[in-house]
Amino acid sequence: GAVVSQHPSWVICKSGTSVKIECRSLDFQATTMFWYRQFPKQSLMLMATSNEGSKATYEQGVEKDKFLINHASLTLSTLTVTSAHPEDSSFYICSARGQVRTYEQYFGPGTRLTVT
Amino acid sequence: GEDVEQSLFLSVREGDSSVINCTYTDSSSTYLYWYKQEPGAGLQLLTYIFSNMDMKQDQRLTVLLNKKDKHLSLRIADTQTGDSAIYFCAETPDTGRRALTFGSGTRLQVQP
Repeated sequence: GAVVSQHPSWVICKSGTSVKIECRSLDFQATTMFWYRQFPKQSLMLMATSNEGSKATYEQGVEKDKFLINHASLTLSTLTVTSAHPEDSSFYICSARGQVRTYEQYFGPGTRLTVT
Repeated sequence: GEDVEQSLFLSVREGDSSVINCTYTDSSSTYLYWYKQEPGAGLQLLTYIFSNMDMKQDQRLTVLLNKKDKHLSLRIADTQTGDSAIYFCAETPDTGRRALTFGSGTRLQVQP
């Protein structure tokens, strides 16, 4: 149990376009999901906390108009990178908190975004 | 704010034990975690420990927590080549409902 999927696993897009990344909890309901960003050979940096049915909470320095987060159901959160630029190229990872054991966080496999 | 630190690299021979260390600064850390990341993949939750515990063992994995020194370690017994990966230490305070703060990761290389 406790499987989190992400789609797509990798995407290449042109500068100025938008890209949507999906994060799904497959076998449990997740009221809270988290979006992280990881640069090569670096650690994970929290971008935002996504709560089902309410607005996401963004970390300082993360542009909410650029990184749109929607958590429309208990099993799906989406991250849309709008007007992408090459500096947005990164590995984006989502995690979902367990519903019963809320201290357990399960991570998706990540999405590698390359903006050309 | 919270800070979690790890050494960057560890090399061991197959069959030996590996010990990966982590220090943290947040005294309110309640849950401490170890995650494994293989190349190009997401993070796999290996184990976690509550701050009211000193040790937790799960098969080949042993976690030791020294709250006084804010030091966490992960020991992997009988290390195998499949254990080669990056290991992240992470912590969260309170009830664990907040996001995790991660260390920089330790790259474990297992020599055959």
